Amino acid sequence: DVKVTQSSRYLVKRTGEKVFLECVQDMDHENMFWYRQDPGLGLRLIYFSYDVKMKEKGDIPEGYSVSREKKERFSLILESASTNQTSMYLCASSPARARPIYFGEGSWLTVV
Amino acid sequence: ELKVEQNPLFLSMQEGKNYTIYCNYSTTSDRLYWYRQDPGKSLESLFVLLSNGAVKQEGRLMASLDTKARLSTLHITAAVHDLSATYFCAVDEGTYKYIFGTGTRLKVLA
Repeated sequence: DVKVTQSSRYLVKRTGEKVFLECVQDMDHENMFWYRQDPGLGLRLIYFSYDVKMKEKGDIPEGYSVSREKKERFSLILESASTNQTSMYLCASSPARARPIYFGEGSWLTVV
Repeated sequence: ELKVEQNPLFLSMQEGKNYTIYCNYSTTSDRLYWYRQDPGKSLESLFVLLSNGAVKQEGRLMASLDTKARLSTLHITAAVHDLSATYFCAVDEGTYKYIFGTGTRLKVLA
């Protein structure tokens, strides 16, 4: 089975803190994604990566950055957390295009 | 910009009834996916539809794709309580991006 692991399930951070969300997949997938999910808004793509050290902006990249130094790991960084970044963050991976993407369990972030 | 719309957004139905969830999208694509999400959980892949006319079935759920109409349907037959969840469709726009609909929250009443 594909396993996408998000190391932090629940976090509470203060406004202005730097936040790292880590994601690891164990299936040698090429593509990795970060989404955020908010009630009534569905899933919105923040960033994706189709190769090591490659990244592309999604629909809502403002306030976020990403890092992919190794194929299996894709990190989401909030440089200076704000309350409007309180959300559930979902990491996902896929082996190639035209294949489903597999999601991690999600990270619930609260910024106070 | 690709838009994906689902309706209804909320669906409350009795056990044993049939119903259909609709997923419309705004650009040409022949790759569409359905996912299920239980409360507090992540998304689980249900169906992969990769061509016009594709139909997939699993248990009481059947998904189909009409790329000419830019429409996918998820049909529920003889609903049971265990099907209560939120269902998402997602369209692969062809540039590694998967755009998700806003989801349909299904509640099956005993």
